[in-house]
Amino acid sequence: EVQLVQSGAEVKKPGESLKISCKTSGYTFTNFWIGWVRQTPGKGLEWLGIIYPGDSDTRYSPSFQGHITISADKSMSTAYLQWSSLKASDSAIFYCARLGPAMADFDIWGQGTLVNISS
Amino acid sequence: SFELTQPPSVSVSPGQTARITCSGDALAKQYTYWYQQKAGQAPVLVIYKDTERPSGIPDRFSGSTSGTIVTLTISGVQAEDEADYFCQSVDSSGPFYVFGPGTKVTVL
Repeated sequence: EVQLVQSGAEVKKPGESLKISCKTSGYTFTNFWIGWVRQTPGKGLEWLGIIYPGDSDTRYSPSFQGHITISADKSMSTAYLQWSSLKASDSAIFYCARLGPAMADFDIWGQGTLVNISS
Repeated sequence: SFELTQPPSVSVSPGQTARITCSGDALAKQYTYWYQQKAGQAPVLVIYKDTERPSGIPDRFSGSTSGTIVTLTISGVQAEDEADYFCQSVDSSGPFYVFGPGTKVTVL
């Protein structure tokens, strides 16, 4: 069974750094793109970026480029999303999701990680 | 990239048919994907490539397309179908993944 299991909820202050994880199992990690999606009450679902763990090819949404970093560890079958300096507006639920073979849809999703940024 | 439009809400009685539309100029050229998100849960893919259903998705879920409007139909709605439904497409020049704002389906 394909599974994506994300790290737990985080509470951070503005300006702090954060790295959340997405551990995968049940398929060959290096053969599928993994994406990160943000969900907020006001803006719905937004795509942040994707990574191909096979060669670490990474693409970012222009809306988030420069503010986030996506990475992957092949030895751990795990993808990561990180921030070097959080803002209050980063508060959201973040999902990792595997992209389907056509690289057009998100066919399996993690359970989500709630990130709360508050001073 | 482009925008997708969905009605904010749809209400339907059990056993009836719910139709959720998603519109956008890009949909005439790009496939649409549909996700179901129940309260407190992650989204689940229920339709891909406009009309295809992943394994494990009940056959009461179906998709159709006509020009720039794509429709998710839930036939014989059940209480468990109450959820938010999001459409999604992709601008392959990026790629850029675009989600619709979501439609809340309420089962009366």
